[in-house]
Amino acid sequence: DTEVTQTPKHLVMGMTNKKSLKCEQHMGHRAMYWYKQKAKKPPELMFVYSYEKLSINESVPSRFSPECPNSSLLNLHLHALQPEDSALYLCASSQGWGARTEAFFGQGTRLTVV
Amino acid sequence: AQSVTQLDSQVPVFEEAPVELRCNYSSSVSVYLFWYVQYPNQGLQLLLKYLSGSTLVKGINGFEAEFNKSQTSFHLRKPSVHISDTAEYFCAVSGSGGATNKLIFGTGTLLAVQP
Repeated sequence: DTEVTQTPKHLVMGMTNKKSLKCEQHMGHRAMYWYKQKAKKPPELMFVYSYEKLSINESVPSRFSPECPNSSLLNLHLHALQPEDSALYLCASSQGWGARTEAFFGQGTRLTVV
Repeated sequence: AQSVTQLDSQVPVFEEAPVELRCNYSSSVSVYLFWYVQYPNQGLQLLLKYLSGSTLVKGINGFEAEFNKSQTSFHLRKPSVHISDTAEYFCAVSGSGGATNKLIFGTGTLLAVQP
């Protein structure tokens, strides 16, 4: 199984809503990532978890709150988002937090904030 | 800090023609280079990677890339493209150690294969 599964595939939420994005992998990977991708732009790193601990937060606004309940799961909790937060949110995982390791990406959650 | 430049935002090519997608990088430390492909409404898939060793790297779907340290380039090539190769291609670089482990993506090149 070389899949990273993200749910939901699409999400529309209001600016006062609270929602969560979910990501799951069963490859035994110990590093997991959240990326944000705007249309016709490259993915931008948001968070890195290594061995279930937050290693990198790329100065992401607090309305985005990551959580890593165990080594297979990664969540992104959303609250009071703005329309400019609409984007494709990609989860990825790799064997470890290291430059030489290949990252496997999920299909993404397309988020629309209204 | 590392960075990567993809000069061509779009490359139109006819089916069965060869193609080269250009990527140049800059880094003050050892680099590891990757090419990813993104089909419409999909995530990213690794095509190939250069970590060390042979400078000619072969990947999936008939793609290959050559690492050229003197020209700081890592261009992607395919001798004969198919319609199904139409996608966005991202070159990416990471360093070694600490924050340089981060995967930094180029701005992407849209490969548009025409019949």
